[in-house]
Amino acid sequence: VQLVESGGSLVQPGGSLRLSCTASGFMFSNSWMTWVRQAPGKGLEWVTTINPDGSEKSYVDSVKGRFTISRDNAKNSLYLQMNSLRAEDTAEYYCAKVWTFSTWDSWGQGTLVTVST
Amino acid sequence: QSALTQPPSASGSPGQSVTISCTGTSSDVGGYNYVSWYQRHPGKAPKVMIYEVNKRPSGVPDRFSGSKSGNTASLTVSGLQAEDEADYYCSSYAGSNKDVFGGGTKLTVL
Repeated sequence: VQLVESGGSLVQPGGSLRLSCTASGFMFSNSWMTWVRQAPGKGLEWVTTINPDGSEKSYVDSVKGRFTISRDNAKNSLYLQMNSLRAEDTAEYYCAKVWTFSTWDSWGQGTLVTVST
Repeated sequence: QSALTQPPSASGSPGQSVTISCTGTSSDVGGYNYVSWYQRHPGKAPKVMIYEVNKRPSGVPDRFSGSKSGNTASLTVSGLQAEDEADYYCSSYAGSNKDVFGGGTKLTVL
């Protein structure tokens, strides 16, 4: 199993960014997937989860209405569209594969998003 | 959606046991038997050590055990070994396809 994130960068407050996660080594189209983030010096924070066909999505309240999770099963790819970015969104963002209910068994290496002027 | 509460640090000597707590509410820890524990060494991906409160994935030593009472879950590491030194995070299902993590506990093996 391999998960590789990309797309992180420095962005100004109010800006947008799209993160990608490319999956391999497992049946991506059958898997629930999650984005988790970790701000500098802080703990892990669950951000959003999507079901296998993309019809169910859930978000932490702090990103609802600003972030959108999506997936392209034909490309084995997971995405996170982040709009109206704030300084508090600065974090390493990880994609993770759901193994069993509410438990993740595979994580990417992370991609860093920095929101700053 | 408040983070679960974990002690920032815990420690023990080799061979000893240490317990890390994870306190939530009746809307997360207390409401569901879906508490997981993750071990994270610096620069590495989190590794699931316990799932569904007290189940161990294949390959996880039986020195690691989990339990729950009310709104508080616990991870106990028995027979501490040097390689157990890491950050530990709990997580819980919080309803409506949402999850929540704890703030993490740094375990030091003295």
